Amino acid sequence: DTGVSQNPRHKITKRGQNVTFRCDPISEHNRLYWYRQTLGQGPEFLTYFQNEAQLEKSRLLSDRFSAERPKGSFSTLEIQRTEQGDSAMYLCASSRQGGPQNQPQHFGDGTRLSIL
Amino acid sequence: GENVEQHPSTLSVQEGDSAVIKCTYSDSASNYFPWYKQELGKGPQLIIDIRSNVGEKKDQRIAVTLNKTAKHFSLHITETQPEDSAVYFCAAISRDDKIIFGKGTRLHILP
Repeated sequence: DTGVSQNPRHKITKRGQNVTFRCDPISEHNRLYWYRQTLGQGPEFLTYFQNEAQLEKSRLLSDRFSAERPKGSFSTLEIQRTEQGDSAMYLCASSRQGGPQNQPQHFGDGTRLSIL
Repeated sequence: GENVEQHPSTLSVQEGDSAVIKCTYSDSASNYFPWYKQELGKGPQLIIDIRSNVGEKKDQRIAVTLNKTAKHFSLHITETQPEDSAVYFCAAISRDDKIIFGKGTRLHILP
């Protein structure tokens, strides 16, 4: 079990630029989740995949955000035309199929995004 | 939807003393309550959980209690150690299977 891996760990960019983050889940997990965590808050759900299918998106996920999981393994989260309010920690989690009460989600260490 | 409130936001205890973190939830249909520990620069890690059919669960120095009538649940850490310093999150699972986190408690263990 190598754990959930996220890259990069830190990203600093200017407002208006596009950024892309990558998440590599635990290999036998077919569910992959993205969360956003701002300072002093708990993580908030953004979206999740079961295999390559994106099954749900939160209202927090504006049109500038897009996530993909093309082969059902790693996932990318892209933010276009970044804004100051996008500064946050973006966390990825993975699990076996099933809700969190039956299949625990394993979190990566996140990508911290800072918008200048 | 489900809402989880957590307090205190910051807690300092002397090494060896106990720490208690309290949470409330809003949706009486919730039946699973996980707790996470987040160390600096790391993602949250599940440390213990409790289901609504039990009132208490223990795992070594940590214990969780649940009062379904009052919609309260708590985390108790006994004999605290320096490595217990971290941010702790309580959570509840919403009707649509989402993890709803509290705002976190920053626990400082004082030498």
